[in-house]
Formats: sequence, C-alpha cells, structure tokens
Amino acid sequence: DAGVIQSPRHEVTEMGQEVTLRCKPISGHDYLFWYRQTMMRGLELLIYFNNNVPIDDSGMPEDRFSAKMPNASFSTLKIQPSEPRDSAVYFCASRSTGDYYGYTFGSGTRLTVV
Amino acid sequence: QQQVKQSPQSLIVQKGGISIINCAYENTAFDYFPWYQQFPGKGPALLIAIRPDVSEKKEGRFTISFNKSAKQFSLHIMDSQPGDSATYFCAAGLTGNQFYFGTGTSLTVIP
Repeated sequence: DAGVIQSPRHEVTEMGQEVTLRCKPISGHDYLFWYRQTMMRGLELLIYFNNNVPIDDSGMPEDRFSAKMPNASFSTLKIQPSEPRDSAVYFCASRSTGDYYGYTFGSGTRLTVV
Repeated sequence: QQQVKQSPQSLIVQKGGISIINCAYENTAFDYFPWYQQFPGKGPALLIAIRPDVSEKKEGRFTISFNKSAKQFSLHIMDSQPGDSATYFCAAGLTGNQFYFGTGTSLTVIP
C-alpha cells in the first residue's frame, strides 16, 4: 500500500486566495483525520470523518475552513480566504475501526500564506 | 482543557544515554496510549503503544511505562543514538475514536 497520500507537498499562496489541500487515505480505512501542526500549538485536530461523514469539526478554526469527503478514497480541506496565520503543516491521517495500531499519517502539506 | 500534557519540550542526551519523555492524561476512560516519532519533513509515525491493562511494554530500545493510578505514562529510549533525534508525541484516546496528542518533545542525541 502506498500509505496516506497528500497533495501538494508545498503550497505558497497570497493572502485572500483559496487553498485546497487533498488527501487519499489508505484503502479500507474508514476514519480520516485532518490535523494542523505549528510550533506554537503542536498537532491540532481540525476535523475527522467516519465512513465519509464528518463526526467532529469542533477543531475547525473558523468558517474560512471547510472539509469534504465525497467518497472513501478522497478528502479535501479548503481555506477561503487564506490568511498568513493559516501558515502551518497540514496532515491527513487514516485508520480503520478496531485498528489497534493507531493512525497512519501522510507526509503533510506545508502551507505558506504571504 | 488539554487532554494530554507532555514534558519536556526539548531534550538533549548524549549518545548511549537514556532519554525519558513524560505524559499525563485526564480522561480515565482512555484505553490506548501510542507514541509517535516524527522526523523533519515527515508525518508522525507510530513507534510503540500500550493499553492500560499492562504497566510496561518494551520493543527493542523503546519502553513505555504506564501508571494507571497516576494517569501518567512515559517513553524511555535506552542507549540513545543520533538517529533517534526526532520529535516525539504521546497520545491518548479511546479505541475507535480520535486521539489527543501531546505538544511534542524535540530530542537531540549528541554523538
């Protein structure tokens, strides 16, 4: 298995622009998580899905952030409009129900908003 | 409320020494306690994990010690090597639900 695949690896955008981050979970995994990592706040859970349905989005910072999972093999995290404080590394992770070995993380998308 | 507290924030250890990272959790219902290792430019990767029915788990040079009554658990890295230099995250949660992560410990092992 190729693992959790995220794209792009790096994104540089101007303030006010829309940014879309993409994630392909491991086949067969029914949970998908979006995390944001910064030096100040560490790993923050933004939202997670189970069987493509959003379960908890309480970590989404504000209405500028939205996430979708149209099918079991694809999810997006969108920021519109982007702001410099959104600069961070965004990770996607997946797991399967009853998987005692924890999450599998992707390699992340480093977002820089200038 | 922070569900998992991790210390120290950074750690410098001589090669061959023991690295110890500590975590404390709030929710007594948590039943799974993994540790993740993250190298620069990579996502966190599962290193070792423990369930609360045991007090210790060892895998090679890595050991988790678990104290259920104190709601604490720790990672011990024996014979630390420069290749162990990374950021380590503890986590806690309920199987089948989300994990709560600690803030991370940056470990540097000096040759």
